[in-house]
Amino acid sequence: NAGVTQTPKFRILKIGQSMTLQCTQDMNHNYMYWYRQDPGMGLKLIYYSVGAGITDKGEVPNGYNVSRSTTEDFPLRLELAAPSQTSVYFCASSYPGRAGYTDTQYFGPGTRLTVL
Amino acid sequence: DAKTTQPNSMESNEEEPVHLPCNHSTISGTDYIHWYRQLPSQGPEYVIHGLTSNVNNRMASLAIAEDRKSSTLILHRATLRDAAVYYCILNRDPKAAGNKLTFGGGTRVLVKP
Repeated sequence: NAGVTQTPKFRILKIGQSMTLQCTQDMNHNYMYWYRQDPGMGLKLIYYSVGAGITDKGEVPNGYNVSRSTTEDFPLRLELAAPSQTSVYFCASSYPGRAGYTDTQYFGPGTRLTVL
Repeated sequence: DAKTTQPNSMESNEEEPVHLPCNHSTISGTDYIHWYRQLPSQGPEYVIHGLTSNVNNRMASLAIAEDRKSSTLILHRATLRDAAVYYCILNRDPKAAGNKLTFGGGTRVLVKP
C-alpha cells in the first residue's frame, strides 16, 4: 500500500493563477480531507468528503473547490491564487468504522505551495 | 466545539520518559481523545486514542483522568526520533460529524541527546 499520495510536492504560483492539488489513497477509505497548515500553526480543515459524490465545507473553504468522483481521488482546486493561500496542504483519509466508534486519519506528505 | 489546551513546548533528555499534558475541561461524553504527532516536514501521524480507560500501544500510553477533563500522553523512553509537535484532539461522534479533527497549536517536544 502506498497509503495517501499527493502531487506535486512543491509549487510556486503567481497571483491569479490556478492549479489543482492531487490526492490519491489506495486504502479504500470512504472519508477524505484537505487541510492547510500555515507556518508555526496547527492544521485547518478546508473541505472533506464522506464518499464519492459527497463533499462538504470545513473551517476555511473560501478560495478552494473540491470534487470526489471516485473513492480513491480527492483533488483540491485553487482558483485565482492569492498570497494568503501560501501554505502547506495535507490530504488525509479514514475508514468509517461502526457508528459511535472513532477512526484514525492517515495523512499524505503534503504539498508546499507559495503564491507570489 | 470542545477545545484542548496544551503547553507550547517541552524538553526531555534522550531515554527518559516524557509526560505531555492536555486539558479538555469541556469534553462531552461521546468525545474520543486522540493524539497525533507531526515530525519535521511530514504530515501528522496517529499516536493513540482513548475514551475513558487508559490505553497502551507500541508508541505510547494514554492516561485519562477519571473525570475526563484532562489526559496525559506518556512516551516511555524518548528517542531523538520522537522530537515532533504532538497534538491532543477531541474527536466527536465520527459517524455524525464525518470524523473531523480540529487541530490546535500542539506541544513541540525537544529531545536532547
